[in-house]
Amino acid sequence: NAGVTQTPKFQVLKTGQSMTLQCAQDMNHNSMYWYRQDPGMGLRLIYYSASEGTTDKGEVPNGYNVSRLNKREFSLRLESAAPSQTSVYFCATIPQAFYEQYFGPGTRLTVT
Amino acid sequence: GNSVTQMEGPVTLSEEAFLTINCTYTATGYPSLFWYVQYPGEGLQLLLKATKADDKGSNKGFEATYRKETTSFHLEKGSVQVSDSAVYFCALSDGGTSYGKLTFGQGTILTVHP
Repeated sequence: NAGVTQTPKFQVLKTGQSMTLQCAQDMNHNSMYWYRQDPGMGLRLIYYSASEGTTDKGEVPNGYNVSRLNKREFSLRLESAAPSQTSVYFCATIPQAFYEQYFGPGTRLTVT
Repeated sequence: GNSVTQMEGPVTLSEEAFLTINCTYTATGYPSLFWYVQYPGEGLQLLLKATKADDKGSNKGFEATYRKETTSFHLEKGSVQVSDSAVYFCALSDGGTSYGKLTFGQGTILTVHP
């Protein structure tokens, strides 16, 4: 039972390159989330998926797209990376509202 | 909208000192409140939670009480250890209408010296 897994752990991109961050969970949770963590700003929600087949924007969605591939997997895509997207990205899941979220280990992304 | 405000950090303490990290919130309705901890290089882990007014969450010697009248959820520990050095986040969820989305405070860095 791996919980929430994220790949890759680290990535360096040049400005303008694209990449996809992968997240998978084996807890059979309905809702999944993508956050970014920047110093002094806590975690900010990028996109979320309340259930399989649905996605919605969070607080900071510009420059990102997501795909809820199935119940287990929720990917985050940067189409044209910018230095402002240098951050640590976390995926999280929740079994239902009012419960705590379970976080993956994070992906540290640097855009040069 | 919802918001969470944590005390400014970083906080530096000696081992066995008393810890308080203040957290206040603004939310509609009746949110659930959480404290998460992040150890260096790791993801966030739930430390404790409270789902209604006057509930006290506790775990690993940490405690926090959900105070609706003061919209607060302050984290306390009577005697900190070096192993408690981490970043602590206060967060809230206003539940069903927002599909469990969390609103986080900015985090407080705690360093405990021997």
